Amino acid sequence: EVQLVESGGGLVQPGGSLRLSCVASGFTFSDYWMHWVRQVPGKDLVWVSRINTDGRRFNYADAVKGRFTISRDNAKNTLYLQMNSLSVEDTAVYYCVRDAASGSTVVFQHWGQGSLVTVSA
Amino acid sequence: DIQMTQSPSSLSASVGDRVTITCRASQYIDKYLHWYQQKPGKAPKFLIYATSTLQSGVPSRFSGSGSGTDFTLTISGLQLEDFATYYCQQSYSSPYTFGQGTKLDIK
Repeated sequence: EVQLVESGGGLVQPGGSLRLSCVASGFTFSDYWMHWVRQVPGKDLVWVSRINTDGRRFNYADAVKGRFTISRDNAKNTLYLQMNSLSVEDTAVYYCVRDAASGSTVVFQHWGQGSLVTVSA
Repeated sequence: DIQMTQSPSSLSASVGDRVTITCRASQYIDKYLHWYQQKPGKAPKFLIYATSTLQSGVPSRFSGSGSGTDFTLTISGLQLEDFATYYCQQSYSSPYTFGQGTKLDIK
C-alpha cells in the first residue's frame, strides 16, 4: 500500500522558514516524480512544485519561485520542501503527492494526509 | 496560465440521481484533464485521468468525457458516499491548475 506521511508543518512568523518532509513507503520511491500541492482550508487546490526521479529537475509555481526549494533523498525515501521568506499567503495545508506513473504525467495519484502551515504574527 | 472553470460551484442532489459537473479550460488541453474527489478534512482522492479513464477501484457509476476545452464528470446513480467536492485538473502545461471545485451535497 502506498503511504505518504508529511511532517514539519506548524506556526511560523512572516519572513520565517520551515521545512516539510514526506516519507514514502509501499512503492519504489526513486521511480516516481513527486509533487507538493497546497490548499488553503476550504479553498482551491494549488500545485506548488515537482521534482524528477533523481532530483535534478524541478519546477515551481510562480508564487513560490525563488522562495521554496523542493528536494528528495532517494536513500531515505523522503521528499522535502524548504520554505523561506514565508508570508501569510503561504498559509495552507501542504500535500505530498506521488505521480501516477514513472514518467511525469502530472496526474496526482496518491496523496499524503497533509501538513498544515500557518504563517502569522 | 490555463484557467480551469467548473460549473456549477455547488449542486444539491438526491441518492439515485444522475449529476453532471462541467469543467472548462481557458485554452486547448487535449485530453489532459483529470478528476479528484475530496471529503471534508481529507486529502483528495484520484478518480479519473486523461478525461475518461477510471482509476482502479473507482465505481463504474463515475464517468468522464470531453476533449479540447470542455469536459464533464457524470455520476449515474448517486450513492451517499459520493457527496463531496470534486475538482478537475489539467496537466497539459505548467503551472498545473485545478478548477475551483464543485460541492455536491444532499438535497
